Amino acid sequence: DILLTQSPGTLSLSPGERATLSCRANQSVASNYLAWYQQKPGQAPRLLIYGASSRATGIPDRFSGSGSETDFTLTISRLEPEDFAVYYCHQYASAPPTTFGQGTRLEIK
Amino acid sequence: QLQLQESGPGLVKPSETLSLTCTVSGGSISSSNHFWGWIRQSPGEGLEWIGTVHYSGSTNSGTNYYNPSLKSRVMISVDTSKNQFSLRLSSVTAADTAVYYCVRHPNYGYGYYYYYMDVWGRGTTVTVSS
Repeated sequence: DILLTQSPGTLSLSPGERATLSCRANQSVASNYLAWYQQKPGQAPRLLIYGASSRATGIPDRFSGSGSETDFTLTISRLEPEDFAVYYCHQYASAPPTTFGQGTRLEIK
Repeated sequence: QLQLQESGPGLVKPSETLSLTCTVSGGSISSSNHFWGWIRQSPGEGLEWIGTVHYSGSTNSGTNYYNPSLKSRVMISVDTSKNQFSLRLSSVTAADTAVYYCVRHPNYGYGYYYYYMDVWGRGTTVTVSS
């Protein structure tokens, strides 16, 4: 199974700042089959990015994904109050099973 | 807009079978453009993919893909007449306590059956306890 490690565990920033979240795989993720999800308390995860860099329908362009092979990044260019949540990466290249990172909590500083 | 809604018992006894149903509204479960699946989330294990079903209208049957760690205990089935799909997980223990989500995956038609999840249900909490 591909192990995904997200860092940092918690990121404390202020609205308006730039957020950079990392997801590292212990082996190459083929075809950049990596997605990012946002989860707010009491809600289901929401798809933000797929294919490492493609934004899902309705996702604001302040969210962007990049990276390849074993290193991937989710960037939020300018934080809005509604962006404070937990973010998960997910690889679907090497399956079964598809696997998730443990999450990064983005909190208001 | 397609929506998914989970339903089923919130409490299951150890060694019994967990049964959940997902009702699809605003779209057809027979769509060849999508797969359907289940994900669970527990505080200890995080997010875990349980399995996926690919329904084929041409054969009127589903093909299943399961997490190897759960494969011996899990079954996912499709009921096209009700536009629903279901999860059965047998011989449950406290480790199966989690929030269970039904999800939709896109089908790009490449003969690959493991993709991201583009639609999620709201989730249902299942506790395994006597």
